[in-house]
Amino acid sequence: EVQLQQSGAELGKPGTSVKLSCKVSGYNIRSTYMHWVNQRPGKGLEWIGRIDPANGNTIYAEKFKSKATLTADTSSNTAYMQLSQLKSDDTAIYFCAIQGYYGFWGQGTLVTVSS
Amino acid sequence: DVLMTQTPVSLPVSLGGQVSISCRSSQSLVHSDGNTYLHWYLQKPGQSPQLLIYRVSNRFSGVPDRFSGSGSGTDFTLKISRVEPEDLGVYYCLQSTHFPNTFGAGTKLELK
Repeated sequence: EVQLQQSGAELGKPGTSVKLSCKVSGYNIRSTYMHWVNQRPGKGLEWIGRIDPANGNTIYAEKFKSKATLTADTSSNTAYMQLSQLKSDDTAIYFCAIQGYYGFWGQGTLVTVSS
Repeated sequence: DVLMTQTPVSLPVSLGGQVSISCRSSQSLVHSDGNTYLHWYLQKPGQSPQLLIYRVSNRFSGVPDRFSGSGSGTDFTLKISRVEPEDLGVYYCLQSTHFPNTFGAGTKLELK
């Protein structure tokens, strides 16, 4: 069974960074892309970017190029997303998803930015 | 960026009824490899999105045949027949032909 287990909720102060994790079981992340998507409170889904864990290649949506950094550790089958220079409008649930069609999703990590 | 226009925003339905959701893209979703990367998801309250249909018309594993997808180019439709209570939630289309990948704004399926 494929499972994506995301790290717990984060409370970050403005101007700081947080690093989220997404650990995959039942699927080798070398064989897939890892996508990251966010959802602001009461809003729709927004694509942040994707990483190819096999070679570390990344593609980002323009608005997240200086906000998000995607990495992956194939030895632990885990992907990471660091969010930097946090602002209040970074408050959202962040999801990871694998496969070209986003076939499997993590449960989401709530990031709250507040002083 | 490719704009995905989903309609309607809200869709009241009676259990057992049939509904259609439209998703239109601002440019063709036909990839240079010949495939069309348009997918449909359902997000139930408090849950992650779940894949229903991939590449226009292919049902994902375990998805009942009450769900069907169709369309081509820039115009796509998700049909749900014999609506059941577990079908309620917000439906999203996603295009992954172009970067950045983009989602529709969502259609909320709710009981009349």
